[in-house]
Amino acid sequence: AQTVTQSQPEMSVQEAETVTLSCTYDTSESDYYLFWYKQPPSRQMILVIRQEAYKQQNATENRFSVNFQKAAKSFSLKISDSQLGDAAMYFCAYRLYQGGSEKLVFGKGTKLTVNP
Amino acid sequence: NAGVTQTPKFRVLKTGQSMTLLCAQDMNHEYMYWYRQDPGMGLRLIHYSVGEGTTAKGEVPDGYNVSRLKKQNFLLGLESAAPSQTSVYFCASSRPGLELYFGPGTRLLVL
Repeated sequence: AQTVTQSQPEMSVQEAETVTLSCTYDTSESDYYLFWYKQPPSRQMILVIRQEAYKQQNATENRFSVNFQKAAKSFSLKISDSQLGDAAMYFCAYRLYQGGSEKLVFGKGTKLTVNP
Repeated sequence: NAGVTQTPKFRVLKTGQSMTLLCAQDMNHEYMYWYRQDPGMGLRLIHYSVGEGTTAKGEVPDGYNVSRLKKQNFLLGLESAAPSQTSVYFCASSRPGLELYFGPGTRLLVL
């Protein structure tokens, strides 16, 4: 079974500093997608970044970047120049393609606190 | 363009009551999903649909039913609510191979 593990239930960072959130996953597939979603206190799920497994280059979106290690099945999220608005739950997700359908499998999340 | 909308936003039920949660999307997405979110558990897939008239079970389908009679709508039903179904429910939609777009969530409290 495909699983997604986020080993850090909570993290904290000082404003303007850099923080890295960890994610590992288990799969036997060679082609898949990985995502990081952000959930602020409003509860809305917001896509932060997406990575295609066949691409060797790590995805980047402004202050957000990933370190994708396919062999190690690791997909960490780095947030640079942290801002107060980055405080949220962060979920790592793996897109599973199975039997003609697709679905996202989520980790349990990491709560990020940003200290002023 | 409203994206994904959910009705209602909040509901209180008594044990044994029934209700239907409505999800609508205006992005012409093929796939739609229902997830539940509980503290410390992340999001768990209840049911999903890969097209109009089709549904399939996810990770935690017991106690729920779904229907996708129209491409833009995906209904989640609770026939006999139980306290264990107290949760926040998220609907999402997507095109094949792409990211999910989520609704704002429905908070359900079963007493």
